[in-house]
Amino acid sequence: EVQLVESGGGLVKPGGSLRLSCAASGFTFSSYCMNWVRQAPGKGLEWVSSITTSSTYLYYAASVRGRFTISRDNAKNSLYLQMNSLRAEDTAVYYCARDSVEYSTSSPLDYWGQGTLVTVSS
Amino acid sequence: DIQLTQSPSLLSASVGDRVTITCRASQGISSYLAWYQQKPGKAPKLLIYAASSLQSGVPSRFSGSGSGTEFTLTISSLQPEDFASYYCQQLNSYPLTFGGGTKVEIK
Repeated sequence: EVQLVESGGGLVKPGGSLRLSCAASGFTFSSYCMNWVRQAPGKGLEWVSSITTSSTYLYYAASVRGRFTISRDNAKNSLYLQMNSLRAEDTAVYYCARDSVEYSTSSPLDYWGQGTLVTVSS
Repeated sequence: DIQLTQSPSLLSASVGDRVTITCRASQGISSYLAWYQQKPGKAPKLLIYAASSLQSGVPSRFSGSGSGTEFTLTISSLQPEDFASYYCQQLNSYPLTFGGGTKVEIK
């Protein structure tokens, strides 16, 4: 069974940093592109970042580029999101999600974690 | 960047109704469009990919159509478990984008 479990969320002050993790199991993690998608309270979905299988290509939304860094450790079946210079508008539930097609970028997201809440507030 | 505009943002309907949600792209995206369903407090669920292909396990009352810049998601006969929010997503190019969402509520 495919499982994605996020962790690392919490309360952080504006300007602070946080590192999110996503532990993957039940599939060959190294074969799939992975993504972070967020959802602010009461708002819609916002794609944040994607990483290809070997970390060759990294993609970011304009709203986080230069502040967030996506990475992965295929040996540990884990996905990460390092978030620096956090702002109030980064407050959201952050989901990790898997591309549905092996070795393919930008394919639909077929498995999602349960999400981890990041709150940026003083 | 490609913008997706969903309409309506709120739809009131009854069980058994036929429901259609529209997603318009700011430029052509061929058939690189997916639809998701999200219930409160839950992660999104993939319903439709490649504009019209039904994801495994999704009931056949859900269907998608369109290509280029205009797409639709149709629920042929709304069931109680279908009251949720729906989002389109373009997968044509980065940055990937979602539509603003459509909430389907009980009339």
